[in-house]
Amino acid sequence: EDQVTQSPEALRLQEGESSSLNCSYTVSGLRGLFWYRQDPGKGPEFLFTLYSAGEEKEKERLKATLTKKESFLHITAPKPEDSATYLCAVQAKMIKAAGNKLTFGGGTRVLVKP
Amino acid sequence: EAQVTQNPRYLITVTGKKLTVTCSQNMNHEYMSWYRQDPGLGLRQIYYSMNVEVTDKGDVPEGYKVSRKEKRNFPLILESPSPNQTSLYFCASSLFGDYGYTFGSGTRLTVV
Repeated sequence: EDQVTQSPEALRLQEGESSSLNCSYTVSGLRGLFWYRQDPGKGPEFLFTLYSAGEEKEKERLKATLTKKESFLHITAPKPEDSATYLCAVQAKMIKAAGNKLTFGGGTRVLVKP
Repeated sequence: EAQVTQNPRYLITVTGKKLTVTCSQNMNHEYMSWYRQDPGLGLRQIYYSMNVEVTDKGDVPEGYKVSRKEKRNFPLILESPSPNQTSLYFCASSLFGDYGYTFGSGTRLTVV
C-alpha cells in the first residue's frame, strides 16, 4: 500500500526565514511525486511534478527536490502570501492503465508572519 | 479560463435524501476523479474515470456512485447519504496520468 507522510504538521516562520518541508513516501514503483498548495476553503493548486531521484524544480521562492525515499519543498525567504497548506502526493506505476490515483500526505500548514 | 467547476459549493441535507454533486471541466481532459478531504485523514480518492464510460473505484467508494456519459462531466451521486459522508469533496481532472490534476473549488457537504 502506498504511503505518504509529511512533516512537520505545522510550521510558523518569520518573513524571510527560509525552511524546508519533508515528504517521505513508500510506493510500489514511483510514477510521479506531486506538490500542491492549498489555501483555506479552496482546492489544491498544482505546483510541481518530480519523476526521478535527483530531479529538482523551482517556482519563485519554492524549490522541490526528490530522492528515492523522500522529497523536500524548500521555501526561500518566504513572504506572508506563501502561507498555505502544502500537500505532497505520489502516483504509482500500475499495470492497469486506469490507475491514475494520487495518494496524498496529511499536509504541512505553513504560516509566514510579517 | 481553464477550470473545474463543482456545484453546489455548500450543501446541507438529511440522512437518506439522494443528492448529486456536479462536476464539469473545460480542458478536454481524459482523466477525472473525486476526492474527499477529512481532518486527520487527508485527501482520499473515491472514484476515478479515464474516459467516457470508463470508471473505477478508488480507496473509499462505499456509498457513492459516479457516471461519465460525457467527457466534460463527472457527477458524484450519493443515493442514501449518511452522517459519515459529511466532508469536503473535490473533483479533479488531468490530461494524462503523469500531469498534475486540476482541482475544483470544493463542495462542503453536511449530512444531518
